[in-house]
Amino acid sequence: NAGVTQTPKFQVLKTGQSMTLQCAQDMNHNSMYWYRQDPGMGLRLIYYSASEGTTDKGEVPNGYNVSRLNKREFSLRLESAAPSQTSVYFCASSDRSLAASYEQYFGPGTRLTVT
Amino acid sequence: KNEVEQSPQNLTAQEGEFITINCSYSVGISALHWLQQHPGGGIVSLFMLSSGKKKHGRLIATINIQEKHSSLHITASHPRDSAVYICAVSVGGSEKLVFGKGTKLTVNP
Repeated sequence: NAGVTQTPKFQVLKTGQSMTLQCAQDMNHNSMYWYRQDPGMGLRLIYYSASEGTTDKGEVPNGYNVSRLNKREFSLRLESAAPSQTSVYFCASSDRSLAASYEQYFGPGTRLTVT
Repeated sequence: KNEVEQSPQNLTAQEGEFITINCSYSVGISALHWLQQHPGGGIVSLFMLSSGKKKHGRLIATINIQEKHSSLHITASHPRDSAVYICAVSVGGSEKLVFGKGTKLTVNP
């Protein structure tokens, strides 16, 4: 039982390049999230998916797109990377059907640097 | 003003000391979470509570809904407790969380 996995762990991009961050969970959770974490700031929600096929913008969605193709996987795409997107990205999942629990389970993070 | 405020931002303690980290929030919540982020970066959930008090080992979390305030206590602190402790709230009935900026705890031997 791996929980939430993310790939890659580290990535360096040049400005303007594109890439996709992958996230998968094996806990059969309905909800999945993408966050970014920057020094001096709390975790900020980029996008959220309440179920397969649905996505909603979070606090900082500009410059990102997401895809929830199935219940397990939720990917985050940077179409044209900018230095302001240098950050640590976390994926998480939760399932409110579990006795109304909102506990979130986090992946190990992806450290992205855009030069 | 942030919806979730934590204090202190940084905390240094000697091994064995009793630690208190505070969290205040300004909105109606359905639950409050305490999370731990270790130096390696991984984030784990410690507690989720909507009232009263919860205890797990040397960690105790309390919440006062009327005062919109929660505390995380660590008894008999140990260097392995060194981490960033993050408070987060579920607003209304949403699963989405709003996070505080975290408290960096360093416990020296």
